Amino acid sequence: QVQLVQSGAEVKNPGASVKVSCKASGYTFTAYYIHWVRQAPGQGLEWMGWINPNSGGTDYAQKFQGRVTMTRDTSLSTVYMELSRLTSDDTAMYYCARPLNYGGNSGAFDIWGQGTMVTVSS
Amino acid sequence: SYELTQPPSVSVSPGQTARITCSGDALSKKYAYWYQQKSGQAPVLVIYEDNKRPSGIPERFSGSSSGTMATLTISGAQVEDEGDYYCYSTDSSGDYVFGTGTKVTVL
Repeated sequence: QVQLVQSGAEVKNPGASVKVSCKASGYTFTAYYIHWVRQAPGQGLEWMGWINPNSGGTDYAQKFQGRVTMTRDTSLSTVYMELSRLTSDDTAMYYCARPLNYGGNSGAFDIWGQGTMVTVSS
Repeated sequence: SYELTQPPSVSVSPGQTARITCSGDALSKKYAYWYQQKSGQAPVLVIYEDNKRPSGIPERFSGSSSGTMATLTISGAQVEDEGDYYCYSTDSSGDYVFGTGTKVTVL
């Protein structure tokens, strides 16, 4: 079945970087964009950016420009989200999500990963 | 930065109609999407492109948009519809933004 499976929970020190993976299966990996969304404990959802797995093209939310990098490995059907210079404000659940549009992009995410909890603490 | 404003909470009795609004300047030109999130779970898409329902979503969920406001309507709300609801759209530059979220209580 179509699914996105994310890597496990991470605990990082302030100032460090974290790299979260999202492995796709059950569909043509290069045909659908992947977005990243995060949610701090008890808070709302926050869009971080997207990657086009076909071209490698990306777009990041202004808030994360210069600090986030999204990449993909087509041989593994996996996308990665790396966030650097972590602070306690980056403690959150991080989700990857796939729009339902074949070959296009939109905000209609019908498939979500299970989430990866990233905790930033000294 | 661009904001999508929602009421913090909406309460409704079972079988009644719940309406959740989402206000944003760009909504007159951009699509609205709606997500339901239950505690400890990933969000679920319930409405896309203002008023389309994904397969598997009950017919009691509907969406509309007029001017700078989008509305999610739950007609005949059920106890299982409780959760947090977020609207979602894009700003004029194409960046995506989530609304502030609305907690729906059915009791």
